[in-house]
Amino acid sequence: SQQGEEDPQALSIQEGENATMNCSYKTSINNLQWYRQNSGRGLVHLILIRSNEREKHSGRLRVTLDTSKKSSSLLITASRAADTASYFCATDASTGGGADGLTFGKGTHLIIQP
Amino acid sequence: EAQVTQNPRYLITVTGKKLTVTCSQNMNHEYMSWYRQDPGLGLRQIYYSMNVEVTDKGDVPEGYKVSRKEKRNFPLILESPSPNQTSLYFCASSLKGPYRVYGYTFGSGTRLTVV
Repeated sequence: SQQGEEDPQALSIQEGENATMNCSYKTSINNLQWYRQNSGRGLVHLILIRSNEREKHSGRLRVTLDTSKKSSSLLITASRAADTASYFCATDASTGGGADGLTFGKGTHLIIQP
Repeated sequence: EAQVTQNPRYLITVTGKKLTVTCSQNMNHEYMSWYRQDPGLGLRQIYYSMNVEVTDKGDVPEGYKVSRKEKRNFPLILESPSPNQTSLYFCASSLKGPYRVYGYTFGSGTRLTVV
């Protein structure tokens, strides 16, 4: 079942601008993760934020998590052409007593215009 | 280099002909999982394994089998492939710590076409 929903589905910006993507989910989570996928390739883990964290940074990436609203955002600052990719949020809601694994949203396709 | 290796990268097969997609990781990860990715549906989990000889169904297990005889390998078996199994398949692995703070490492994918 789909847990995360990214918004927008597609985003096109100029190189150097900031890109913001949002993710909403439905159930309580252990952590939320963001992944990048270049066309048809494997997903690359970008950043993980635990349910008791509100903000996390990694290089040009900034992730926020609001568990009361069940939402997260990914901000990429000073975008580059190489950032063109699809970005997915994934939630880990595993309880240890049943289904286990990440549940992915459908992704935001980001295009950076040179 | 730490990685998850899937083979083959591309595969075209006919309906009903048994096939196996291999997955191997060199990071000593306990957890491994298979996903399929379809346009408009995103990534959906097929099967996962918490450790050797421990496997369980994900969201879309019908038509698939897996085994975990060794820690590093987690093959995906399609006993009788059908056209609705045409998809892009990904294997992933992860450490499984008590606080679930590890991301997944994905393979490069296997694009399967069943005709």
